[in-house]
Amino acid sequence: DAKTTQPNSMESNEEEPVHLPCNHSTISGTDYIHWYRQLPSQGPEYVIHGLTSNVNNRMASLAIAEDRKSSTLILHRATLRDAAVYYCILRAVTSQGAQKLVFGQGTRLTINP
Amino acid sequence: NAGVTQTPKFRVLKTGQSMTLLCAQDMNHEYMYWYRQDPGMGLRLIHYSVGEGTTAKGEVPDGYNVSRLKKQNFLLGLESAAPSQTSVYFCASRDSGTGGKNIQYFGAGTRLSVL
Repeated sequence: DAKTTQPNSMESNEEEPVHLPCNHSTISGTDYIHWYRQLPSQGPEYVIHGLTSNVNNRMASLAIAEDRKSSTLILHRATLRDAAVYYCILRAVTSQGAQKLVFGQGTRLTINP
Repeated sequence: NAGVTQTPKFRVLKTGQSMTLLCAQDMNHEYMYWYRQDPGMGLRLIHYSVGEGTTAKGEVPDGYNVSRLKKQNFLLGLESAAPSQTSVYFCASRDSGTGGKNIQYFGAGTRLSVL
C-alpha cells in the first residue's frame, strides 16, 4: 500500500486559513487522494478527494502538486468546530481486490479562539 | 437521516465473555467495513463485506467473526474477549461506485473495555 506522511499536529487561530500538508511520494498514477477528518469522540467523516486537479467543495479545498507527490488540504476560514484529526489517505486494494482505506496517524489540528 | 448506526455505544466485558456488535445502514450500500481504533492511532480494518452473504478478512481479523445475512446489517462477534480487544470499534459503509468514488460513511463507534 502506498504510504502518506503528515505532521503529527498543527495549530491555528480561529477565522484564519489552515494548510494541512501531506506527502505521498509513492503514489501511483491511478491513486485518488482522500481526506477524512475525525472530530472528538466521533467516527471519521469524508472531507474531499481528488486525482490530479485542484478540487473545491463546501468544506475545504484540495491542492495537488503537479507531480502528485504531495497535496494540501486548505480550510479557508477555520472555526473551533474544525478542531479534529485530519487523515490523508490513498486508495488501496485488499488481497481480494476490494477497495479499502488505510488510515495513518493523521494530523491533530488545534484551533485557538 | 440515520446513515450508519452502531449498537451498543458502550460495553464492558470480562475476559472470556462473548458479544456481538451490530451495524445497520439505511443507504442501500453494498460494501460494509469494521475497523478498530486504539488510543493515538488511526483505524485498522478488521473485516469487510462486498455484499449480502459475503465477508472477507482485513488487516487484523484474529479473534473476530462477522456475518452479513442482510444487506443493511453487518455484525461483528467476539467469541472469547481478551483485554487486547479493548478498543473503539467503527463500522462504515459505501456504495459500489468505481474509480475515485470511495466515500465511506462511518458510525459513531462502540467503546469496548475488556477487563
